[in-house]
Amino acid sequence: QIPLKESGPTLVKPTQTLTLTCTFSGFSLTTIGVGVGWVRQPPGKALEWVALIYWDDDKRYSPSLKSRATITKDTSKNQVVLTVNNMDPVDTATYFCVRSQEHFITNFFDYWGQGVLVTVSS
Amino acid sequence: QSVLTQPPSVSGAPGQRVTISCTGSGSNIGAGYAVNWYRQLPGTAPKLLIYGNKNRPSGVPDRFSGSKSGTSASLAITGLQVEDEADYYCQSFDNMLTGEVFGGGTMLTVL
Repeated sequence: QIPLKESGPTLVKPTQTLTLTCTFSGFSLTTIGVGVGWVRQPPGKALEWVALIYWDDDKRYSPSLKSRATITKDTSKNQVVLTVNNMDPVDTATYFCVRSQEHFITNFFDYWGQGVLVTVSS
Repeated sequence: QSVLTQPPSVSGAPGQRVTISCTGSGSNIGAGYAVNWYRQLPGTAPKLLIYGNKNRPSGVPDRFSGSKSGTSASLAITGLQVEDEADYYCQSFDNMLTGEVFGGGTMLTVL
C-alpha cells in the first residue's frame, strides 16, 4: 500500500487562496513515469481532474481552473503542493491526492489519498 | 456535462452480469488513449479497477473486465455481489483539453 495524505484548511472564504499539501511515502517522484496530482469531487457530483506534476517537473492543469491553480513538488520532503487562488463557492469539493502512472500514452491513478473536504463560504 | 458519457445508473441481481459504457469522441478514446475504471464505495476514495483498457491491478478479481472499441469503452462485472454497489467512473485523456477527463459516473445497484 502506498499512502498519500492531504492536509490543508477545510474552510476558506471566497476570493482567498487555497493551499493543499500532499505528503506521500513508498515511492519517489523522481521515478520515470510517476506523477502526483489532484482530483476533486463536489458533494454529490462526479470526479474532476485538477492538476498533475510529473517526475520530470512537467505540469498540467485542468482548463476549468484556467490560470488559478499552481502545482509544485518537493522531492526531498515527498510532498506536492496545490494552490488555487480566488476561491469560489463552486470550488467546494473533496480534494483527493493521487499517484499517477504512465501506461503507454495515458495516465492512470493507482493510489488515492482519503481526501479533504474544502468548503468555500463566507 | 462530462467529456466522457456514462449511464447515470445500472442495476442487476446478485450473480448476474452487468456492463457500464463510457462514450467519448475522437479527441479522447477515439484518438487511441486508454480508458481506466475506478470504483467508489460510499464515503470513500475511488479505487483503481482497470487500467489500460483491460488490465486489472493486483488484487482486483477477474469478475471485473474492461474493453474498448472505437470511441467507447465498457466495464463488465460478472457474478454480481451486493458489495459491488458503488459508483463507477471511467477516465481517459483528451488531447483538445490537454488533460485527464472523467465520465459522469454510474451508480450500480444490486437488487
